[in-house]
Amino acid sequence: QVQLVQSGSELKKPGASVKVSCKASGYTFSAYAVNWVRQAPGQGLEWMGWININTGNPTYAQGFTGRFVFSLDTSVTTAYLQINSLKAEDTAVYYCARERVTLSNAIDIWGQGTMVVVSS
Amino acid sequence: SYELPQPLSVSVALGQTARITCGGNNIENKYVHWYQQKPGQAPVLVIYRDSSRPSGIPERFSGSNSGNAATLTISRAQAGDEADYYCQIWDNSTYVFGTGTTVTVL
Repeated sequence: QVQLVQSGSELKKPGASVKVSCKASGYTFSAYAVNWVRQAPGQGLEWMGWININTGNPTYAQGFTGRFVFSLDTSVTTAYLQINSLKAEDTAVYYCARERVTLSNAIDIWGQGTMVVVSS
Repeated sequence: SYELPQPLSVSVALGQTARITCGGNNIENKYVHWYQQKPGQAPVLVIYRDSSRPSGIPERFSGSNSGNAATLTISRAQAGDEADYYCQIWDNSTYVFGTGTTVTVL
């Protein structure tokens, strides 16, 4: 079964860091890029960027440079999103998602989402 | 940057047809994908490449793309179709999501 399974909810204080994991299974991990998407409470979907599984090279969307870091551990078929210097406005659900180039870059598999709450 | 405005909400009577638009300058020149998101759940791809359905998606869901608007059509709407719907394109190596539309089945 093709799936992306994310780590559980996090409650963090402002200024702290958080690392969200996204474990892939059921497919060849290196064959598909992993994207990250943010959804603030009651808001729409916002693309954060993607990571090339073969090279490990990340690409960040506008507004997600500096404090956001995408990384990989291919030995355990897992992608990571780290957010540093957390702010209250980082409170959101974060999704990892598999990109299908053969479907003209549609996202065909989504993780279940990880809720990150930033509060003092 | 490219913007994809959608109506905030669409209401449809049970069994009738709902149409959700996704606007964009010459959007017909891009492939449009559509996602359904129910409360508390991850999005699900329902239409890709303007009008293709992934396996498992009912034929009641269809899509089109012409001129400056793409459209997702839900025929014979069911209570289970109540959800938020987002269009999405790939533009200049960037994902762009629409603003989202809440569909209510009356």
